[in-house]
Amino acid sequence: DAGVIQSPRHEVTEMGQEVTLRCKPISGHNSLFWYRQTMMRGLELLIYFNNNVPIDDSGMPEDRFSAKMPNASFSTLKIQPSEPRDSAVYFCASSPPGAGYNEQFFGPGTRLTVL
Amino acid sequence: GQQVMQIPQYQHVQEGEDFTTYCNSSTTLSNIQWYKQRPGGHPVFLIQLVKSGEVKKQKRLTFQFGEAKKNSSLHITATQTTDVGTYFCAGLPSQAGTALIFGKGTTLSVSS
Repeated sequence: DAGVIQSPRHEVTEMGQEVTLRCKPISGHNSLFWYRQTMMRGLELLIYFNNNVPIDDSGMPEDRFSAKMPNASFSTLKIQPSEPRDSAVYFCASSPPGAGYNEQFFGPGTRLTVL
Repeated sequence: GQQVMQIPQYQHVQEGEDFTTYCNSSTTLSNIQWYKQRPGGHPVFLIQLVKSGEVKKQKRLTFQFGEAKKNSSLHITATQTTDVGTYFCAGLPSQAGTALIFGKGTTLSVSS
């Protein structure tokens, strides 16, 4: 079975460019999470969706970041314009429905470098 | 805001020694989860603890949830080189509608 799929796996771009990260959650999962990981700040939750609806976007750093989930099988995280301090590994994770809080399944991540 | 603190940040041990990482929350948690991230990899779920005072074991790993549901620990007995990685705790606050809060992790290195 395919796990969470993220693309691209690596992205190198120049400051000021638009960056779009993509995520396909595990089929049947109804919660999706976007995280950013850096050495300095650790693993930060940026936004999470439940049934395609954004529930908490308080972790989104600033207006340059936006996320969408147009359907249950696809989500994007966009940075426009990108800055060098956005360099990090971005993880997408999904979790299944059910009582209580379920484990999160992480994708392989996108390593973003902004020059 | 709500925080989950994890110590130590780094730990180096000789193979065969024990290892413990501790997790403390500023608020009461509904449950706590533990994840492991291998170098260059992504976090992988290990276990979830729900009940006050709960203890669970997975082979050489022992997980505890405190009586007050505000702290947790992971203990590894007789570490092996395969235990290398970063261990994260993630707590779910009791407040409804709140997502998991990850600690910053403890990075374990093991020398043989």
